[in-house]
Amino acid sequence: RKEVEQDPGPFNVPEGATVAFNCTYSNSASQSFFWYRQDCRKEPKLLMSVYSSGNEDGRFTAQLNRASQYISLLIRDSKLSDSATYLCVVTQNFNKFYFGSGTKLNVKP
Amino acid sequence: DTAVSQTPKYLVTQMGNDKSIKCEQNLGHDTMYWYKQDSKKFLKIMFSYNNKELIINETVPNRFSPKSPDKAHLNLHINSLELGDSAVYFCASSQAGTGTYEQYFGPGTRLTVT
Repeated sequence: RKEVEQDPGPFNVPEGATVAFNCTYSNSASQSFFWYRQDCRKEPKLLMSVYSSGNEDGRFTAQLNRASQYISLLIRDSKLSDSATYLCVVTQNFNKFYFGSGTKLNVKP
Repeated sequence: DTAVSQTPKYLVTQMGNDKSIKCEQNLGHDTMYWYKQDSKKFLKIMFSYNNKELIINETVPNRFSPKSPDKAHLNLHINSLELGDSAVYFCASSQAGTGTYEQYFGPGTRLTVT
């Protein structure tokens, strides 16, 4: 079983839509959780950390459910510039990083 | 200012050759990493290096050897390149002491082995 699993998509949504991605992880000892964004042929960039109480950054909301071992990312009012691959990342310590294979989002005009 | 830089950006070479990729970070971080992203876009950690402690992913062939001359640099040397080594290699860094391990990635090195 993979450490981190994501729906690969693609999710095709119109501008202004709300879209949500989920990610499940297998190791209950996981400590830190992140969402990264990767544009085509570019490096991954940190989008946001995911805190136990849930956190919001503008149009983006991340939530963690430790009991069910999943994290989610909600994007409101989608923009064309949100089109990218979103990577779920789970860590256990500084040398135990696990990336999901990514969920591709296409926002269309 | 570039936070994490890698050279070269592109590398095309033949099977059997030996090559190196260099990585430097100016963020003052104490931990650096090498990742491989294959054609299916799956990012997999190869090595992490924290304060002179090297952690090797056991699935990485011993043809791959990281070298860290100092805390700001982590280079990757690959011996006897094989076709399956073709991928994008990303360097990253983080500050382990914060406990959150947010990583910052370099732009990647696209390696093609022919």
